[in-house]
Amino acid sequence: DTAVSQTPKYLVTQMGNDKSIKCEQNLGHDTMYWYKQDSKKFLKIMFSYNNKELIINETVPNRFSPKSPDKAHLNLHINSLELGDSAVYFCASSSGVSSYEQYFGPGTRLTVT
Amino acid sequence: AQSVTQLDSHVSVSEGTPVLLRCNYSSSYSPSLFWYVQHPNKGLQLLLKYTSAATLVKGINGFEAEFKKSETSFHLTKPSAHMSDAAEYFCVVSPPGRQAGTALIFGKGTTLSVSS
Repeated sequence: DTAVSQTPKYLVTQMGNDKSIKCEQNLGHDTMYWYKQDSKKFLKIMFSYNNKELIINETVPNRFSPKSPDKAHLNLHINSLELGDSAVYFCASSSGVSSYEQYFGPGTRLTVT
Repeated sequence: AQSVTQLDSHVSVSEGTPVLLRCNYSSSYSPSLFWYVQHPNKGLQLLLKYTSAATLVKGINGFEAEFKKSETSFHLTKPSAHMSDAAEYFCVVSPPGRQAGTALIFGKGTTLSVSS
């Protein structure tokens, strides 16, 4: 009965590869997010989607492409991975404007070698 | 622009002693404020939230925080620390005038260590 789930939990890959991280929420929320946590544990928004529509697209390289096939899913595809992409990526969801808090997934630790 | 400043990067306490994690915020309007906790290699869990109701907010696991507008502070406290409280704590602000998809703005985190 996990609320926000991500797969995989760990991802180790080489530079130049393309990889995807999947996120699913079963809370019935209509808004989903991707955050990046760097090596100093600082968290910053990357993208947000509301009802499958892109709302926030921060200054993120266009090698990162989010896709929301439906309100319950928000996937993150990364092309041509670089060493600097190594981080923990968190998916989150919220109930649009009716709720201020966001619920986070367990995170995906991406290591690029 | 909204921001939060966590005044201590690391706090160490002994088990059974009080915990104080300090947070100041910057906002032109009354913001929504949160504390999240991250245990090692785990996701983020909401501890408590302030959304312009009562200024003293009670959260899970015995934590509470007080919103002080005059001091622009939202400090997190717990009367008695437990070993399981050792984790990273984030003070977070959500800007006012919310629209769907508004991002949370995180402080840089405070590492809480609890010794026996």
